[in-house]
Amino acid sequence: GESVGLHLPTLSVQEGDNSIINCAYSNSASDYFIWYKQESGKGPQFIIDIRSNMDKRQGQRVTVLLNKTVKHLSLQIAATQPGDSAVYFCAENGGYSTLTFGKGTMLLVSP
Amino acid sequence: AAGVIQSPRHLIKEKRETATLKCYPIPRHDTVYWYQQGPGQDPQFLISFYEKMQSDKGSIPDRFSAQQFSDYHSELNMSSLELGDSALYFCASTFGGGGHSDTQYFGPGTRLTVL
Repeated sequence: GESVGLHLPTLSVQEGDNSIINCAYSNSASDYFIWYKQESGKGPQFIIDIRSNMDKRQGQRVTVLLNKTVKHLSLQIAATQPGDSAVYFCAENGGYSTLTFGKGTMLLVSP
Repeated sequence: AAGVIQSPRHLIKEKRETATLKCYPIPRHDTVYWYQQGPGQDPQFLISFYEKMQSDKGSIPDRFSAQQFSDYHSELNMSSLELGDSALYFCASTFGGGGHSDTQYFGPGTRLTVL
């Protein structure tokens, strides 16, 4: 769902589960996408990025999938750990160098 | 590895006062971006600089101004502060003007509270 004010969409998972966080982007001119992780009171931390000429990119325990047809981005986290608990933002470049952030999703991982 | 440094980390001001936030980019980075993040909100782009020149402008109020200095650090000057200016202010840096696919690395932010 969409976030309104202080209410972020929340995904609650058990430790060891796989997590999937979704993001819809709006600008068809965007050709670069980034996922950031933000812990409380800290700055966004780069997780993984993908260019529009790719539809999948894998990192360590994370995979980003890009579907340009429906303007959809997802972040998959394998074997989710309590330390993964944070707010996750997708960002798009809109064809320029500045970033437009999507609404965040709070990931809560319980042991 | 050195990261983006922001100072101060916390700042409390009264309405109508002024504030100056500082950002020191990662060494050799020449491009700086400023973002504002309200409670529970996503970061909103304010303004950016490349090689000491303004490169892009976002939703920055006229009461705010910024500049980048010869050592590439940047300062965000905020005047006539309003309650609604209370937020986290992030600086991000990259190298080479921030091309389409240059990753922006964020600092820890400055939490501004306006009373």
